[in-house]
Amino acid sequence: EDKVVQSPLSLVVHEGDTVTLNCSYEVTNFRSLLWYKQEKKAPTFLFMLTSSGIEKKSGRLSSILDKKELFSILNITATQTGDSAVYLCAVVRSGNTGKLIFGQGTTLQVKP
Amino acid sequence: GAGVSQSPSNKVTEKGKDVELRCDPISGHTALYWYRQSLGQGLEFLIYFQGNSAPDKSGLPSDRFSAERTGGSVSTLTIQRTQQEDSAVYLCASSLEGRPPLHFGNGTRLTVT
Repeated sequence: EDKVVQSPLSLVVHEGDTVTLNCSYEVTNFRSLLWYKQEKKAPTFLFMLTSSGIEKKSGRLSSILDKKELFSILNITATQTGDSAVYLCAVVRSGNTGKLIFGQGTTLQVKP
Repeated sequence: GAGVSQSPSNKVTEKGKDVELRCDPISGHTALYWYRQSLGQGLEFLIYFQGNSAPDKSGLPSDRFSAERTGGSVSTLTIQRTQQEDSAVYLCASSLEGRPPLHFGNGTRLTVT
């Protein structure tokens, strides 16, 4: 059965810390992996990763995919209270782009 | 519109009643998706519409759930004879030509009492 597992499930840090969120997957016909940030309501898109070893970066956030070991990490440096959210990882399979398989999410709390 | 719009934002209903949830996708997006997020759970796929193709209904949990998309734009998710376990946030998303990334709406929080 296809599955996506995120760790840790929750994390509390202080402003300025660096955090690493993990997403591992076991899916057939892997196509790409997506990261989303969910604050109160709509998940907002962060990154889509298709190729191994190519880092994607946006400001203090970066992410990379390892297709050999079947995982991705999301790094946040110099965390701010506004980074507090649930971070969701999802996998897309080839030929089935409508049905994203989501992990259970990592809840990040950044304390001042 | 600027983003995916869902209504209502909150819905409280009594067990056994029918409810309709509406989604208006981003203009020009041909693909529309419904997901469900229960408390403490990840997002669960429900149904996917892409253009004029037959929808992928494989995620609908029971025959009480149905969805339609009129004119290739607005979609309505209908839940008949609601049960307490239907309580969740129902999220709609759209994408360009069925390719990720998906862009999500703010969701409808459904509470069945």
